[in-house]
Amino acid sequence: SQQGEEDPQALSIQEGENATMNCSYKTSINNLQWYRQNSGRGLVHLILIRSNEREKHSGRLRVTLDTSKKSSSLLITASRAADTASYFCATEDNYGQNFVFGPGTRLSVLP
Amino acid sequence: NAGVTQTPKFQVLKTGQSMTLQCAQDMNHEYMSWYRQDPGMGLRLIHYSVGAGITDQGEVPNGYNVSRSTTEDFPLRLLSAAPSQTSVYFCASGRGWNTEAFFGQGTRLTVV
Repeated sequence: SQQGEEDPQALSIQEGENATMNCSYKTSINNLQWYRQNSGRGLVHLILIRSNEREKHSGRLRVTLDTSKKSSSLLITASRAADTASYFCATEDNYGQNFVFGPGTRLSVLP
Repeated sequence: NAGVTQTPKFQVLKTGQSMTLQCAQDMNHEYMSWYRQDPGMGLRLIHYSVGAGITDQGEVPNGYNVSRSTTEDFPLRLLSAAPSQTSVYFCASGRGWNTEAFFGQGTRLTVV
């Protein structure tokens, strides 16, 4: 059962611009994670934010979580061509035993 | 430190054939899982394990079997391959569902 849903499905920006992608989910969560997937590769963990946190930073990444709106956003500042990838949010499944991924946002950063 | 290793990277099967996708991790993680990734659908959970000797079904378990005889290994068996099982398969491990997961590089499977 799909919990998270990323928006937009695809995003194309110029190098140096900021990229923002959003994730909405349906039921209450304990934490939410963001992952990156380069073409043809496995997923790489970016950041985990817990339900009692509102904002978290990691380098050029900034994640926010609004549990009242059941949504999260991932901001990548000063994007680089190497940021071109698909980005997924992951939340708990209905049983709280596994995490469930959305369909992802495909980001293209043009040089 | 190899992390999560999947073999093979690519495989072509004929309908009805069986095969095993291998997954091994060297991080002593209790939690391991298998996902399949299809275009536009994100990753869907096939089976998971919370420790040696313990396995359970995920969202799309039909046509797949797993076992977990050791902490390190979590093979995925396709019993009788069907074209609908054409997909990219990812194995992941971690300390639990609420911590970060480490993914293998994937196995691209085509069933003809």
